[in-house]
Amino acid sequence: QVQLQESGPGLVKPSETLSLTCVVSGYSISSGYYWGWIRQPPGQGLEWIGSIYHSGTTYYSPSLKSRVTISVDTAKNHFSLSLSPVTAADTATYFCARRRFPGGFDYWGQGALVTVSS
Amino acid sequence: QMTQSPSTLSASVGDRVTITCRASQSISTWLAWYQQRPGKAPDLLIYEASTLHSGVPSRFSASGSGSGTQFTLTISSLQPDDFGTYYCQQYHLYPLTFGGGTRVEIK
Repeated sequence: QVQLQESGPGLVKPSETLSLTCVVSGYSISSGYYWGWIRQPPGQGLEWIGSIYHSGTTYYSPSLKSRVTISVDTAKNHFSLSLSPVTAADTATYFCARRRFPGGFDYWGQGALVTVSS
Repeated sequence: QMTQSPSTLSASVGDRVTITCRASQSISTWLAWYQQRPGKAPDLLIYEASTLHSGVPSRFSASGSGSGTQFTLTISSLQPDDFGTYYCQQYHLYPLTFGGGTRVEIK
């Protein structure tokens, strides 16, 4: 059974860096698939942040591209999100997910609420 | 850009429910549908516009128009477990984009 679990600080100060890690179990990232980050501000819809292939190839949302880095560590079987600098508008639940090919995101983490506040 | 309608709908158990998703340009059949219950991650229901994801009940079905811009998700007989918000998502082009969501309430 494929499982994803986000981890990282739940509170980040404005202008600082949001860092989250998604640990994958039940499947080896190096075996394939795209792995992505999606966020959801409180009470709002879903926004795709970016995706990474096991080889390290990345795709980012144009609206976030200047502030986002997604990386993968196949040895630890996890991938990570870095967003900097952050503002209150980045307050959201952040989900990591596996994207089937072709197709949508078939496995998701439970989500991690990150609040940007001083 | 993906546009969903309606934004909210209220229906009774047993009703047939249809949600529409429109793409601003042709995305062929590269579309997925999700259900999200409050406080939970989305669940994949449909991919490639009309293919039911493993384990999804057969009361869910979906289709796309020949133009590749209009898509529908249908619940043939609404059940209490079907409440939540439904999202469409295109994966034809980057950036991947989601529709604004349709909130389904059970009367």
